[in-house]
Amino acid sequence: QSALTQPPSASGSPGQSVTISCTGTRSDVGGYNYVSWYQQHPGKAPKLIIYEVTKRPSGVPDRFSGSKSGNTASLTVAGLQAEDEADYYCSSYAGYHNVGVFGTGTKVTVL
Amino acid sequence: QVQLVQSGAEVKKPGSSVKVSCKASGGTFNNYIFSWVRQAPGQGLEWMGGVIPTSGRTNYAPRFKGRVTLIADESTSTAYMELSGLRSEDTAVYFCAGSIFRGVLLGAWNTFDIWGHGTMVTVSS
Repeated sequence: QSALTQPPSASGSPGQSVTISCTGTRSDVGGYNYVSWYQQHPGKAPKLIIYEVTKRPSGVPDRFSGSKSGNTASLTVAGLQAEDEADYYCSSYAGYHNVGVFGTGTKVTVL
Repeated sequence: QVQLVQSGAEVKKPGSSVKVSCKASGGTFNNYIFSWVRQAPGQGLEWMGGVIPTSGRTNYAPRFKGRVTLIADESTSTAYMELSGLRSEDTAVYFCAGSIFRGVLLGAWNTFDIWGHGTMVTVSS
């Protein structure tokens, strides 16, 4: 299965917002509301921050929000903080093989 | 909340097999579906497959079918991943990840609520 497409990098100053895109097809992102987002700091395990496109697990700040339009999902981090500097991965259910598929990952830098 | 503790780093020869364990503690093992995700050095995440503890049913990513075996042992609250036919490209950190069952199985294959710390597997002659 092919990975979902994310921009390699994104950046913003503290307090600003950054939006990361995640592009798939109608067989994965576009066909199901099972898109998740993960934050991964260097040397650490990923952490779930958004699931089912827009839902936040308990404890995740509301600065993190998700959306979807057609075959593209997006993660927005508002009010950037230093600790938001990390790699971010999207993931979707892919019906063509009944599998999960990850995005290529985006490195977010807080300037 | 369940915590996942994985077995230690492994160094293996090409062509051999590796078995990684993932022990759950602090909660109900059967409330989760367990997947395995790997990450090669400097690379992204890759879903390998998942197992449902209550039924033993497995779901493998096509590129790993025939080479990976996933097991969930309810008696010890431990999930296992065995990968055979190792090659250098299998050098990676292997994570176990647990999905809370939310009533629909589809989302379990990409929504991972809890993660183990990862196990480094190095394949080298």
